[in-house]
Amino acid sequence: EAQVTQNPRYLITVTGKKLTVTCSQNMNHEYMSWYRQDPGLGLRQIYYSMNVEVTDKGDVPEGYKVSRKEKRNFPLILESPSPNQTSLYFCASSFSGRATEAFFGQGTRLTVV
Amino acid sequence: TQLLEQSPQFLSIQEGENLTVYCNSSSVFSSLQWYRQEPGEGPVLLVTVVTGGEVKKLKRLTFQFGDARKDSSLHITAAQPGDTGLYLCAGTGANNLFFGTGTRLTVIP
Repeated sequence: EAQVTQNPRYLITVTGKKLTVTCSQNMNHEYMSWYRQDPGLGLRQIYYSMNVEVTDKGDVPEGYKVSRKEKRNFPLILESPSPNQTSLYFCASSFSGRATEAFFGQGTRLTVV
Repeated sequence: TQLLEQSPQFLSIQEGENLTVYCNSSSVFSSLQWYRQEPGEGPVLLVTVVTGGEVKKLKRLTFQFGDARKDSSLHITAAQPGDTGLYLCAGTGANNLFFGTGTRLTVIP
C-alpha cells in the first residue's frame, strides 16, 4: 500500500529536549516536505527536499532542521523545542513539487511544555 | 510567501443544501489543487485544475479555476454528512505548494 508513515503520532516533551519526528514514504517520490498546521493559519511549509541531499527552507524554518540521506526518509529535528512549536505536523511526499498529488502522513501532534 | 485566503472559514449547513467555498489570491498559480482533511488524518487530494477557466466535476463537487488563475471555487450540490471536513486549496509554485487557510464544513443530518 502506498503510504507516508510518520512517527510518533503524539508526543509531549519539555522545552529544550531534542526530538526527532520520522517520516518515511514507499512510493519512490523525489519530493518530500514538512508542514505545520495551526488553527486559522492553514498548512505552512517548514522545509522541503527535492531529492537526496537537497533540502531548502519553506515559510517557517526557524527552530527546525531536516536531513535527506535516503530517498525514502525525511526526518524533522527540533534541536531545542519551545512552546511555540506546539502544533500538528505533517510530512508529505510527491513525484515532484509541482502540480502532482501530495501524499500526506497521518500527522504528529506535538506539545512542548 | 504566496497567500491564499479561503472563505468562509466555517460553514455549517443542513443535509441537502448547496454551498460554495472560495479560494482567492493576488498571485497567479500555474495550477491549483483542492484537498479534504478529516479529523486525525492528513489532507487527501480531490482535484487539480490547470487551465484558467477550467471546470472539473467530481460527482456532486464542482471545481472552477478562475480565468486569471488567481482564484478558485468549490461548489457542493446536495451536501451529505460524509462531506464534513476541512477543505484546503493549494496553489503550486516553482517548487512548493502554498496552502489556503481552510474552510471547515459541517453537514448536519
